[in-house]
Amino acid sequence: KAGVTQTPRYLIKTRGQQVTLSCSPISGHRSVSWYQQTPGQGLQFLFEYFSETQRNKGNFPGRFSGRQFSNSRSEMNVSTLELGDSALYLCASSLFGLSGANVLTFGAGSRLTVL
Amino acid sequence: SQQGEEDPQALSIQEGENATMNCSYKTSINNLQWYRQNSGRGLVHLILIRSNEREKHSGRLRVTLDTSKKSSSLLITASRAADTASYFCATEFGANSKLTFGKGITLSVRP
Repeated sequence: KAGVTQTPRYLIKTRGQQVTLSCSPISGHRSVSWYQQTPGQGLQFLFEYFSETQRNKGNFPGRFSGRQFSNSRSEMNVSTLELGDSALYLCASSLFGLSGANVLTFGAGSRLTVL
Repeated sequence: SQQGEEDPQALSIQEGENATMNCSYKTSINNLQWYRQNSGRGLVHLILIRSNEREKHSGRLRVTLDTSKKSSSLLITASRAADTASYFCATEFGANSKLTFGKGITLSVRP
């Protein structure tokens, strides 16, 4: 069973540019969540999509957006990049099976460096 | 803002010793989970404890939950060098099952 796949794994952008990150969840998982991880702030919740609808949202500015497609694949976009956006962006999918609990399976992450 | 906060921020122990990590949170939860992360890679789920449970075991892991104190602890017994990693507690809350993480604990197990 394939895991959560994130692409690209590494990327370098300059301030003002925009970036799109992609996440393919585990087959059958309908929920996809995104987190930003930095050394100073730890793991910060960005948003979660369930069946193509944004179900939860964190406290990030509107420059951060996402979407989910009918096949559950998800993308997140960051526009007008700032130096502080440099981080490891983690995607996770969840089954919400019989347990009803939101147990996450994470991808390896996309490491974004903004110069 | 972070829902959960782990304590201590860093822990260094000798192989074979037990490691105890604590997590405190602010609001009512559906469940509390612990995850491990190795060297900036993705997190791996370790164990989940529901709000109506007080203790769970999984191999060398033992987690406790005290909802009256809004706190949890993770005990790793007979630690190994391979347990060296960052450990995060995550709290699931609300009707939409939002899951938020603490800043993590860095555990170093010396051979």
